[in-house]
Amino acid sequence: GENVEQHPSTLSVQEGDSAVIKCTYSDSASNYFPWYKQELGKGPQLIIDIRSNVGEKKDQRIAVTLNKTAKHFSLHITETQPEDSAVYFCAASRTGANNLFFGTGTRLTVIP
Amino acid sequence: DTEVTQTPKHLVMGMTNKKSLKCEQHMGHRAMYWYKQKAKKPPELMFVYSYEKLSINESVPSRFSPECPNSSLLNLHLHALQPEDSALYLCASSGTGTTQNSPLHFGNGTRLTVT
Repeated sequence: GENVEQHPSTLSVQEGDSAVIKCTYSDSASNYFPWYKQELGKGPQLIIDIRSNVGEKKDQRIAVTLNKTAKHFSLHITETQPEDSAVYFCAASRTGANNLFFGTGTRLTVIP
Repeated sequence: DTEVTQTPKHLVMGMTNKKSLKCEQHMGHRAMYWYKQKAKKPPELMFVYSYEKLSINESVPSRFSPECPNSSLLNLHLHALQPEDSALYLCASSGTGTTQNSPLHFGNGTRLTVT
C-alpha cells in the first residue's frame, strides 16, 4: 500500500516569514494530494489539494507543488500569521477521498 | 464552521456502557466515513459507507458498530469499550464522483474518554 512521509514534525517561524512542509509518497499510481489544517479542538479542514496532472496550485498565501518523478509534494505558506498555527497533514490517494493515506503531521507555530 | 455536524462533542463512558455517536451532513454527499484519531497522530480510517451501504471496514473490533440510517446521517454505536479506545472520533463525508468533485470534509469530532 501507500506510505506517506512528512517532514518536519515541528516547525516554528516568525510572523511574516514563509513556511514549507514536505511530503514523499511511495505509490507511483497516487494521483490526488490534499492538505489539511487541524486547529486545536477541531477536525481537519481541507486547505488545498492538487491532482497529478498539474505541478503547482496557489490559493492566496498557500501553494502546493508536486514532483511526480521524485514522488514528493510540498505546502508553502507565505507571509505567515499567528492564525496559521496548527497541525498540518498531507495525504495521498490513487482513488480519491475513500482511500486517503495521511502523513504523520507537522505542528506549525507562528511566533508574533 | 464545518458542514459536518457531530454530537456529542465530548463523551465519558464506562467500559460496560452503551453509547452512540451521531453525525449529520446536508451537502448531498453519498459517502460517509468514521475515523479515529489518537493524540498527535493522523486520522485512521475505520468505516466507509457509500450510498448507505458499508463498503469498507478496516478490521475494526465488533465493539464498534456503524449504522447509516439515511444519506444524511451516520451513527457509531459503542459497547464494552476499553480505555485504549479513548480518542477523537471524526466523521467525514464526500461525493462519490471523481476526485475533482469529491474532497473529504471532516466534522469537529467527538472526544471520547473510556474509564
